[in-house]
Amino acid sequence: EVELLESGGGLVQPGGSLRLSCAASGFTFNNYGMSWVRQAPGKGLEWVSTISGSAGNIYYADSVKGRFTISRDNSRNTLYLQMNSLRVEDTAVYYCAKGAPLINNWGQGTLVTVSS
Amino acid sequence: DIQLTQSPSFLSASVGDRVTITCRASQGISSYLAWHQQKAGKAPKFLTYAASTLQNGVPSRFSGSGSGTEFTLTISNLQPEDVATYYCQQLNSYPLTFGGGTKVEIK
Repeated sequence: EVELLESGGGLVQPGGSLRLSCAASGFTFNNYGMSWVRQAPGKGLEWVSTISGSAGNIYYADSVKGRFTISRDNSRNTLYLQMNSLRVEDTAVYYCAKGAPLINNWGQGTLVTVSS
Repeated sequence: DIQLTQSPSFLSASVGDRVTITCRASQGISSYLAWHQQKAGKAPKFLTYAASTLQNGVPSRFSGSGSGTEFTLTISNLQPEDVATYYCQQLNSYPLTFGGGTKVEIK
């Protein structure tokens, strides 16, 4: 069974940084692209970033380009999202998702709150 | 970027009804569309891909169809456990995009 467990969320001040992690199990991690998708409170889903299985292809939404960095450690079956220069509008639940571009499994999400 | 427009944004129907949600793409995306279900307070769940192929374990009352720019998700016999918000997602090109969502409630 596929499991995706996010961690690293929390409260941070504007301009601050956070690193999210997603521990994956139940599938051959390095065979799959992985994505981060976020959901602001009361809003819809917004794709953030995708990384291919070998990390050779990486994509970002314009809203986070230059501030967020996606990466993966295939030896640890773990996906990361380094978030710098955080803004109030980055406040959201961040979901780790298996598959790219077809998302076919979702983690439970981790809440990131950017506030002073 | 490919924009996805879902309609309606909200619908209320009775148990046993047939309901249809539409997703329109701003340009042709062949059959590269998926549907996800999100129940209140929960993570999304993947339902269908290639516009019509159900994920394992998804009840057969769900069906997807369409190609090009117009797609539909149909629930043929609405059940109380189907109360959720439904999102379409295009996988034709980056940036990946989602529709605005359709909230389904029981009348």
